[in-house]
Amino acid sequence: DIQMTQSPSSLSASVGDRVTITCRASQSISSYLNWYQHKPGRVPKVLIYDASSLQSGVPSRFSGSGSGTDFTLTISSLQPEDFATYYCQQTYSSPPNFGPGTKVDIK
Amino acid sequence: QVQLMQSGAEVKKPGASVKVSCKASGYTFINYGISWVRQAPGQGLEWLAWISTYNGNTNYAPKLQGRVTMTTDTSTGTAYMELRSLRSDDTAVYYCARTPYSSTWYDYWGQGTLVTVSS
Repeated sequence: DIQMTQSPSSLSASVGDRVTITCRASQSISSYLNWYQHKPGRVPKVLIYDASSLQSGVPSRFSGSGSGTDFTLTISSLQPEDFATYYCQQTYSSPPNFGPGTKVDIK
Repeated sequence: QVQLMQSGAEVKKPGASVKVSCKASGYTFINYGISWVRQAPGQGLEWLAWISTYNGNTNYAPKLQGRVTMTTDTSTGTAYMELRSLRSDDTAVYYCARTPYSSTWYDYWGQGTLVTVSS
């Protein structure tokens, strides 16, 4: 199985901050990497697919980059509605494991 | 509009089985796969299984092999996930999610079903 790690596990940030979350795969997954946002009491929502493609309807302040084993999710200017937990997921091979998540909360 | 409507919360005793349903509407059921993901209390997302609604092919998480079965009823547009020999660590919110065959992400999700395993 491919193992996914994320860093940091949590962070505190202010509205307007630039936030970067890193995801690392235990082996190369090409660009088969998705990012999800999950808020308490809500269902997960895909933000970025195939490492860098922005899902329709997702604000352009979200961006993704990377390939191989190292990936990044960037929020260019954090908004109040962005406080949530963010998960990466590899879909290169089965099982399509999620990372452990990064919780973004208010400083 | 696309909707995935899941069955209601369940409370089960250890060793019992649970069957969660996921009824799709607003699109052609067999044109998309269905995946199942769970979140235990205080934990992250965990992928469980996938089924092709077109031909019934399945793929299960290794840790659940032998305890989980996914099925579909194409006449009603409903997917089912049955989990057997329940343990306390199966307590979680279970989500179904629509999975396009041409892509690798989940674009619509059910509302979630809380399964509580407790003696």
